Amino acid sequence: AQSVTQLGSHVSVSEGALVLLRCNYSSSVPPYLFWYVQYPNQGLQLLLKYTTGATLVKGINGFEAEFKKSETSFHLTKPSAHMSDAAEYFCAVSGGAGGTSYGKLTFGQGTILTVHP
Amino acid sequence: DTAVSQTPKYLVTQMGNDKSIKCEQNLGHDTMYWYKQDSKKFLKIMFSYNNKELIINETVPNRFSPKSPDKAHLNLHINSLELGDSAVYFCASRQLLKGKGDTEAFFGQGTRLTVV
Repeated sequence: AQSVTQLGSHVSVSEGALVLLRCNYSSSVPPYLFWYVQYPNQGLQLLLKYTTGATLVKGINGFEAEFKKSETSFHLTKPSAHMSDAAEYFCAVSGGAGGTSYGKLTFGQGTILTVHP
Repeated sequence: DTAVSQTPKYLVTQMGNDKSIKCEQNLGHDTMYWYKQDSKKFLKIMFSYNNKELIINETVPNRFSPKSPDKAHLNLHINSLELGDSAVYFCASRQLLKGKGDTEAFFGQGTRLTVV
């Protein structure tokens, strides 16, 4: 079974400040981890993903995330927030394509990021 | 050219009605999903089809019936709509490589269903 917990349903930062969105996962198999962003009234867009290899993953719009197996975490960061980053962010875990999961994506509860001028 | 397109974008209907939402993907993917996003923005998988075969069927009322006429289309039909069915429904597609779940899922823009 897989699950994702995002700590903090709302995060508020000032423009130019560090963004840190927290994600912890639970998975019985080596996980594939994703961060998606959802702008108002839109679908989800992939920010970045971790599959294997390098644990620090860089994504679009200056975001990056680090996979820490010992902490079962995959926190999302951005050094300097921009007004356009205001959106809802979802962390997700995927199992393998086989077995009973068939690549099912399990999402966290989402974190709304507000950026103040 | 939209990769995953859903129609309609908005759907307002009365309780007890039957409605359908259509989804098409032009990415050549072999797997498609329906997700429900409730009022608290929680995303929960409902169904998944792989090459027209139902492979995931989460605990969803029988009033919801997915249909996949071909691997590029996955429609969702809902019978006897209830107030609690009000939500945003997202279609997604993905190419699942053998044994791996590391590929990106592409999402449609969502269909906001309001049952009154």
